[in-house]
Order: sequence, then C-alpha cells, then structure tokens
Amino acid sequence: SQQGEEDPQALSIQEGENATMNCSYKTSINNLQWYRQNSGRGLVHLILIRSNEREKHSGRLRVTLDTSKKSSSLLITASRAADTASYFCATDKTGANNLFFGTGTRLTVIP
Amino acid sequence: EAQVTQNPRYLITVTGKKLTVTCSQNMNHEYMSWYRQDPGLGLRQIYYSMNVEVTDKGDVPEGYKVSRKEKRNFPLILESPSPNQTSLYFCASSLDTLTNYGYTFGSGTRLTVV
Repeated sequence: SQQGEEDPQALSIQEGENATMNCSYKTSINNLQWYRQNSGRGLVHLILIRSNEREKHSGRLRVTLDTSKKSSSLLITASRAADTASYFCATDKTGANNLFFGTGTRLTVIP
Repeated sequence: EAQVTQNPRYLITVTGKKLTVTCSQNMNHEYMSWYRQDPGLGLRQIYYSMNVEVTDKGDVPEGYKVSRKEKRNFPLILESPSPNQTSLYFCASSLDTLTNYGYTFGSGTRLTVV
C-alpha cells in the first residue's frame, strides 16, 4: 500500500545548481515529510509540512504542498556535493498512525 | 545523544535459524516501527507499536514477530528466516503515536539469509 511516489527516480546536477524533486500521493493526508538517506544508512528527517500549509522553508530546503493535486516538491538550493543522497517523501493517511514511504529520488551533485 | 540503536549492523545466517535484531531508543518515544528496504520497493513497514504491549501489523508482517515489553526496546524476531527475508532493516521511533513528528531511524541492519 505504497502511498508516495517520487519523481524523478534519479537526478544529476552540478554543484551550485538547484535540485527539485517531486512527490505524488493517493489519499488524503494529515502531513507529509521528507527524509534523506546516505547510501545504506538510516533515514534522516528533513522537514514536515502539514496539510493546511502550502510552503515551508528550512535552511536551503523549500517544500511545497498542493493538496488539490496530491503532490509536493522539495527544492534544494545552491546544492553541494554533500547533498548527494536519496530523498524520500513519506505520507500518512487520514485516520492512520503510520508513515508510508516512496521509492525515493537518487540525487547526485557533481563537484 | 538521542538515538535509535540497532544491533547487529550486519548479519549472515542460514535458512531456518532463529534470529533477533535488537532496537533500543533513549528518547522516551511512544511509537516504534520496523521497516525493510529492498531495491525498487522502497521502505515497507513490517510491524509497529503504539506503546508498551501494543503492537500491530504493517504491510509485510509475514515471517516476523515483535514484542514491546519495555518502552525503549522493540526487537524484531525471525523465527525461521528464509532467503526472501534478505534485506536492509530499519527501526524507527517517534515521539507520539500520530504522525506529528519526524521519525528517528537507526543505522540499519543488513541481513543475508543463505
């Protein structure tokens, strides 16, 4: 019962460029979260956006949420080589207590 | 340091030999969960726990057991492992039983069943 789907599956950019990743989901949500995973390691929580919010910022991260389109985007500005990782969106379902993760976007930032 | 600790980090075992992967958190979190991660399939939830003695199945619970006798510990038990359980396993915890807070993940356990 996968809820979130990220797009693209892989993204390669030059250092200093911006990276945009998208997430689409299927059912109504309470909130949506983004996580980062460095190769083979545990996921790290980046940002949470609630269903009544449209945009949220954290440092170089900007997240938008469009509940009418059931989609979200994660923008990383002025990317660095250290941003190379996989990025996952995670959604809950209204009335459920659990997070459901997509398959992720693999971001490579070339120095 | 606030963290979720999983052990072991790597494990190779044979089919049918019972094993336990331990998970412990030091943040007094109510909610704990186990996920497995496989290429092309993302993270799939195995079991979760809302509090001590309260556990429930996730999306892929077959072949696994869990227990929550203490708030801090949430071990994952494979009573008779099979090769299709070869995977990367993650334990995660969260402050409350709703999804109002981010999850804190352990470093993962890479299990190979031969």
